[in-house]
Amino acid sequence: NAGVMQNPRHLVRRRGQEARLRCSPMKGHSHVYWYRQLPEEGLKFMVYLQKENIIDESGMPKERFSAEFPKEGPSILRIQQVVRGDSAAYFCASSALAPANTGELFFGEGSRLTVL
Amino acid sequence: GQQLNQSPQSMFIQEGEDVSMNCTSSSIFNTWLWYKQDPGEGPVLLIALYKAGELTSNGRLTAQFGITRKDSFLNISASIPSDVGIYFCAGPSSGGSYIPTFGRGTSLIVHP
Repeated sequence: NAGVMQNPRHLVRRRGQEARLRCSPMKGHSHVYWYRQLPEEGLKFMVYLQKENIIDESGMPKERFSAEFPKEGPSILRIQQVVRGDSAAYFCASSALAPANTGELFFGEGSRLTVL
Repeated sequence: GQQLNQSPQSMFIQEGEDVSMNCTSSSIFNTWLWYKQDPGEGPVLLIALYKAGELTSNGRLTAQFGITRKDSFLNISASIPSDVGIYFCAGPSSGGSYIPTFGRGTSLIVHP
């Protein structure tokens, strides 16, 4: 499967725990994006990363959320001390080119976080 | 910040009917994208538009880039049950990053 791979597909956490969501981009893609989708809403941009660098994190909450895209391995979206409001579907997307040169993002199937 | 407004918010139609939805922006876009999200899945790109006035088809889907560059339309002809899903328009964000900003979506339900 050469598509964007996300895991886990479903994650349940209790308030105060940590959630780690992983994303492997399509082969040959070095640009990774994380979006959050709340029920009945569209996708809200969170962060854009290129290998080892955070390019744009203007959509990330200032606290508890962090993202990385190491030289080796998948991109990770980390949410510390989760609260019920963090319950959402988190989508990762990748592109071969930078956003200025393409708008065509390829999305994974999402990770659905439920905070009890 | 820039906003994308999609309408209608939801549509309930009979199989075989044609569907039309649109998207308007508070700012000028150089690119319009239409994505479809099936239930429980991630969005999939349907059509990309790069030029004002451009009309592009993908099977039963046709999308147009508005002349004003502030709107776009998506039409689906002869709808079938598998057209069910949420349709999102998207365009590059302002402020220089060009990262796609998404509308809130149009939810389509097709009755057999």
